[in-house]
Amino acid sequence: QSALTQPRSVSESPGQSVTISCTGTSSDVGGYNSVSWYQQHPGKAPKLMIYDVDKRPSGVPHRFSASKSGDTASLTISGLQAEDEADYYCCSYAGTYTFVFGGGTRLTVL
Amino acid sequence: QVQLAQSGAEVKKPGASVKVSCKASGYTFTAYYMHWVRQAPGQGLEWMGWINPTSGGTNYAQKFQGRVTMTGDTSISTVYMELSSLTSDDTAVYYCARDYDFWSGVLDYWGQGAQVSVSS
Repeated sequence: QSALTQPRSVSESPGQSVTISCTGTSSDVGGYNSVSWYQQHPGKAPKLMIYDVDKRPSGVPHRFSASKSGDTASLTISGLQAEDEADYYCCSYAGTYTFVFGGGTRLTVL
Repeated sequence: QVQLAQSGAEVKKPGASVKVSCKASGYTFTAYYMHWVRQAPGQGLEWMGWINPTSGGTNYAQKFQGRVTMTGDTSISTVYMELSSLTSDDTAVYYCARDYDFWSGVLDYWGQGAQVSVSS
């Protein structure tokens, strides 16, 4: 199972919006509405930000939104804040009760 | 509150095995599956598999089939991940993470991670 494809890095200024893509195949992202997104700050455990493509757990700011089209899922962060600077990972169900992560995207808030 | 407390750092020689523990508290242990995810230095997250603590049922990533064993002890609310035939490529932080809905893959709580280093 190959990792989902994410851009290695993105950057944007505070207050702006940024979108991180996550591209898979019809066997994972495109085949199921089971994509989640995780935020990871250096030296910390990942934190769930989005699940089931576009649902936000309680406590996650509304600035975080997500969607999916075909084999590509996307995470959008609007009104960027310094604290959003982190690594972001997508994860998808990949069939036969298995899961696959994306390679991760480093978000820099300029 | 939900907490997943993992065992400490380990240093192993190539060819050896390592067993990492993850003790759960703050919720009904048997009601949630547990996943294991690892992260090599400077690399991304890698899904390893999950365990149903109630039945002991497991499902592993193909990459680790034959080399990983996930077990649980309901009496002490603890799950274990044992990885054998270690190589330097297994040097990583190993996380346990609770699945919020059976085997949905939605990992809502994570342990603090356990560093495993493999070196001769």
